Amino acid sequence: GNSVTQMEGPVTLSEEAFLTINCTYTATGYPSLFWYVQYPGEGLQLLLKATKADDKGSNKGFEATYRKETTSFHLEKGSVQVSDSAVYFCALTQGAGNKLTFGGGTRVLVKP
Amino acid sequence: DTAVSQTPKYLVTQMGNDKSIKCEQNLGHDTMYWYKQDSKKFLKIMFSYNNKELIINETVPNRFSPKSPDKAHLNLHINSLELGDSAVYFCASSQDSLAGGYEQYFGPGTRLTVT
Repeated sequence: GNSVTQMEGPVTLSEEAFLTINCTYTATGYPSLFWYVQYPGEGLQLLLKATKADDKGSNKGFEATYRKETTSFHLEKGSVQVSDSAVYFCALTQGAGNKLTFGGGTRVLVKP
Repeated sequence: DTAVSQTPKYLVTQMGNDKSIKCEQNLGHDTMYWYKQDSKKFLKIMFSYNNKELIINETVPNRFSPKSPDKAHLNLHINSLELGDSAVYFCASSQDSLAGGYEQYFGPGTRLTVT
């Protein structure tokens, strides 16, 4: 079946540092790929998505590129803020049902 | 207006009890979902309904019974609660589910604690 693997956290950074969270997936064909963010005590919000190979999703300074050749969808942000502290989930959907398969989540802590 | 709402936000109960969690969405979406998030933050789908019809049932114990009275509501009833049911339960909705790629909108979660 489908699966998503992302780097374990926590990732601790200083403000204005560069953030990368690695995500790779296993799926047949061409899944749609997502990054969701969960702020403390809240539900998940879509951060960005990409639905076909070489697409780049971007939002709020975050970017991720759908790489079919490496089955990856790494999340990057050039300059993080304290408000970016959250848990980030990489996920995919494929086929009928639109079921989200999640990675294990990566906790990011940004210190002032 | 809250797009996807869940009640209650917190639920503390004893083993063996029966409880329900309610979910409503006002986005006009056709598909709704229940996900379970365990203590390690791992998220896994439990059920999904499209226009009141069950389309995903992910090997969940039959003590869990979803009910969709209309396409804006998807409730989760749990019988004979066990310690292992303690988790955060998230409801979500999407425009459709005929194929993948639809964004899902999540509710704020219900933290269930079984003692």
